[in-house]
Amino acid sequence: EPEVTQTPSHQVTQMGQEVILRCVPISNHLYFYWYRQILGQKVEFLVSFYNNEISEKSEIFDDQFSVERPDGSNFTLKIRSTKLEDSAMYFCASLRDSYNEQFFGPGTRLTVL
Amino acid sequence: AQSVAQPEDQVNVAEGNPLTVKCTYSVSGNPYLFWYVQYPNRGLQFLLKYITGDNLVKGSYGFEAEFNKSQTSFHLKKPSALVSDSALYFCAVTEPHASGGSYIPTFGRGTSLIVHP
Repeated sequence: EPEVTQTPSHQVTQMGQEVILRCVPISNHLYFYWYRQILGQKVEFLVSFYNNEISEKSEIFDDQFSVERPDGSNFTLKIRSTKLEDSAMYFCASLRDSYNEQFFGPGTRLTVL
Repeated sequence: AQSVAQPEDQVNVAEGNPLTVKCTYSVSGNPYLFWYVQYPNRGLQFLLKYITGDNLVKGSYGFEAEFNKSQTSFHLKKPSALVSDSALYFCAVTEPHASGGSYIPTFGRGTSLIVHP
């Protein structure tokens, strides 16, 4: 069964450093998402990506965040200058169309020291 | 704007008893409704969905949910709970934009289901 993969599983970084979280969505999906979850709590929407551009973004997704789909396969989330409060689980998800469910990756645990 | 409410942070049930995890939603049009389950240190896994048709939908692991338009609810149910059902459950709603191009599910806060042996 196809699945969404994410790397790394755990990233530890110093405050102010840049991090790139990587995701490989399911190949025939059209919509891509990043979510954040702090300490097993609410799943917070960050950004959605469709047709090679951002379609929606939340208030959390400020200028420190960016997304790319550089090669038609990988989908990356970059945080330019990490803050302590960026520590969370980051989930990537992909979706084929609105009638179907999202497929989530296993997540990357980001720890900012 | 669409929204989802899961009024219970935690639901406790004894193994073998029926369980219900509540979800209510608000959308301006017709909703697409989803339930996901999250086990510790894992991503969200799809359980079931309502798009259209029969109000009672059946999903994975013996779960089902009933879409109630008048009460704007989509409660998750299972006739007989298992200890292994203990996990975090998320309800989500989306409403396709008329222009068709952006589908942003809104998730509830999650309900922790604890099934006691």
